[in-house]
Amino acid sequence: DGGITQSPKYLFRKEGQNVTLSCEQNLNHDAMYWYRQDPGQGLRLIYYSQIVNDFQKGDIAEGYSVSREKKESFPLTVTSAQKNPTAFYLCASSIQSRRGEQYFGPGTRLTVT
Amino acid sequence: GQQLNQSPQSMFIQEGEDVSMNCTSSSIFNTWLWYKQDPGEGPVLLIALYKAGELTSNGRLTAQFGITRKDSFLNISASIPSDVGIYFCAGRLNSGGSNYKLTFGKGTLLTVNP
Repeated sequence: DGGITQSPKYLFRKEGQNVTLSCEQNLNHDAMYWYRQDPGQGLRLIYYSQIVNDFQKGDIAEGYSVSREKKESFPLTVTSAQKNPTAFYLCASSIQSRRGEQYFGPGTRLTVT
Repeated sequence: GQQLNQSPQSMFIQEGEDVSMNCTSSSIFNTWLWYKQDPGEGPVLLIALYKAGELTSNGRLTAQFGITRKDSFLNISASIPSDVGIYFCAGRLNSGGSNYKLTFGKGTLLTVNP
């Protein structure tokens, strides 16, 4: 089955630790995205990548880093510099077209204490 | 940046009732998308709209791309308990380097009483 997988579903970390969230897709999509969702809020874009080895900052990139070494994978690292890291993180992907349909993974809930 | 206002923020309805929600933008969009999110899950794409005035249905769901290109509407007919969730609108303007960025509304929380 084609789709987007994110792991793990729940992640717990101590303050001051970096943590990496996994996102893999087998849809052969060129573009991948990371969003952050807080309660009662819409989705806010952290980083996106339109092609391997290239990525751009979204609206709230501070305290986060990404890499795109393979088309299928777009891991997100939440660094200790991120002031409020506890949130629900969503990965998405899309084909490179005018249509803009993004498809989402199941999400990872990160709790930092 | 672009702003999307989605309303209402929440709705409480009885099973069988029809539902309407909408999004308005401060800017023109070329694409409108509607998603549904169940608790603790990722959003699922419901309907995609690409042309001003377009009306598209997906089962009991119907969405419209406003003529001004600054708004979109989603209607759900004869609601059922499994319609419960958060509905998000998203818009995209195809231009320049941010060709593939979506702007999301804050969502409409729908509760259906059986």
